[in-house]
Amino acid sequence: GENVEQHPSTLSVQEGDSAVIKCTYSDSASNYFPWYKQELGKRPQLIIDIRSNVGEKKDQRIAVTLNKTAKHFSLHITETQPEDSAVYFCAANGGKLQFGAGTQVVVTP
Amino acid sequence: DAGVTQSPTHLIKTRGQQVTLRCSPKSGHDTVSWYQQALGQGPQFIFQYYEEEERQRGNFPDRFSGHQFPNYSSELNVNALLLGDSALYLCASSYGLGTGVGTNQPQHFGDGTRLSIL
Repeated sequence: GENVEQHPSTLSVQEGDSAVIKCTYSDSASNYFPWYKQELGKRPQLIIDIRSNVGEKKDQRIAVTLNKTAKHFSLHITETQPEDSAVYFCAANGGKLQFGAGTQVVVTP
Repeated sequence: DAGVTQSPTHLIKTRGQQVTLRCSPKSGHDTVSWYQQALGQGPQFIFQYYEEEERQRGNFPDRFSGHQFPNYSSELNVNALLLGDSALYLCASSYGLGTGVGTNQPQHFGDGTRLSIL
């Protein structure tokens, strides 16, 4: 089955700096890669997703890149703000949506 | 436009009991997936329902079962509760599993049910 690894587990950045989270997956059949943001005590919220026929996707300050050959994908947040502080999860779907363990992002003013 | 709704929000049970959790999908969605999220971990896939049938299952024992109704709402049942079943149970809905591209459609989550086993 699919195995998704996510790094780092925690990430502290200064406001205005960039944050990068990296994930790898094992199942070559996976074709859909969403990213979720989960604030404390709240539901996971989809922030961006990418499908296997695309290498990069951007939405304002958030971008995701996908390397199918290497089986890894990354989330990039530019110009970070305190409200970006949350746990971020990557996931891969090849029939079942499998999540990474999460990255706790802390943006300090 | 109502999003995914789950009930109850919190539940306390004792070991050996049984529990039923409920989920109503987002309007227009026909597929429901259930996840277990332990504290500090990512959601773990339990199973997925489409057209009232279980279509995919994760690595969970048979104590975990489910049902989907004609209106697309769903229930998660857990029998013989163990202490380790304490977690946040999340429901997510999506559209289009039957179209063949359902695996790459966005899943939208509810707020979850916090289950505590004493």
